[in-house]
Amino acid sequence: QITWKESGPTLVKPTQTLTLTCAFSGFSLRSSGVGVAWIRQSPGKALEWLAVIDWDDDKRYNPSLKSRLTIIKDTSKNQAVFTMTNMDPVDTATYYCAPWTGGAFDVRGQGTMVTVSS
Amino acid sequence: EIVMTQSPATLSVSPGEGATLSCRASQGFSSKLAWYQQKSGQAPRLLIYDASTRATGIPARFSGSGSGTEFTLTISVLQSEDFAVYYCQQYNDWPLTFGGGTKVEIK
Repeated sequence: QITWKESGPTLVKPTQTLTLTCAFSGFSLRSSGVGVAWIRQSPGKALEWLAVIDWDDDKRYNPSLKSRLTIIKDTSKNQAVFTMTNMDPVDTATYYCAPWTGGAFDVRGQGTMVTVSS
Repeated sequence: EIVMTQSPATLSVSPGEGATLSCRASQGFSSKLAWYQQKSGQAPRLLIYDASTRATGIPARFSGSGSGTEFTLTISVLQSEDFAVYYCQQYNDWPLTFGGGTKVEIK
């Protein structure tokens, strides 16, 4: 059984850096062709893809946010860590991580709601 | 960037009726398209991938079709649990992009 859980702060201040952790089981980032993706959804808005990291450490970022994003993986811990710098109230959203196999996102976790406010 | 446009924004349907949701891409591609269902307060649920393949556990009343720039999600007979927001997403090219969503509401 595959389980996924996002964790991190629920509240960050403007200009701070957000760090979120995705912990998973039943899934290995050592397997060829797999990866972890991050997606977000601002309240009342559509889904937005943020970043992907592949099993071979290849990384892709949404160009509109690329300068602010970093994604890394810790294969031994079955985790992926996502950071977004210089947070702004418009970044208030629910952030999801999901297994990624080169195509669609099979979201398994419930996401983590992050509010940006002073 | 491939822009995905969904229509209509809202679709009012009576339970037991069928529904057809559209997704148009700004650039054509073959089949690298997914559909998701999202209920209020829940995570998105993958319904269809590769334009027409149902994800594990998805009922047969959900079907996807299309290629090029026009894609369709059809719900043959709407059940009460199908009233939700539906999103399409392309994975043919970077960046991966979603449509704005279609809300299927009870008529």
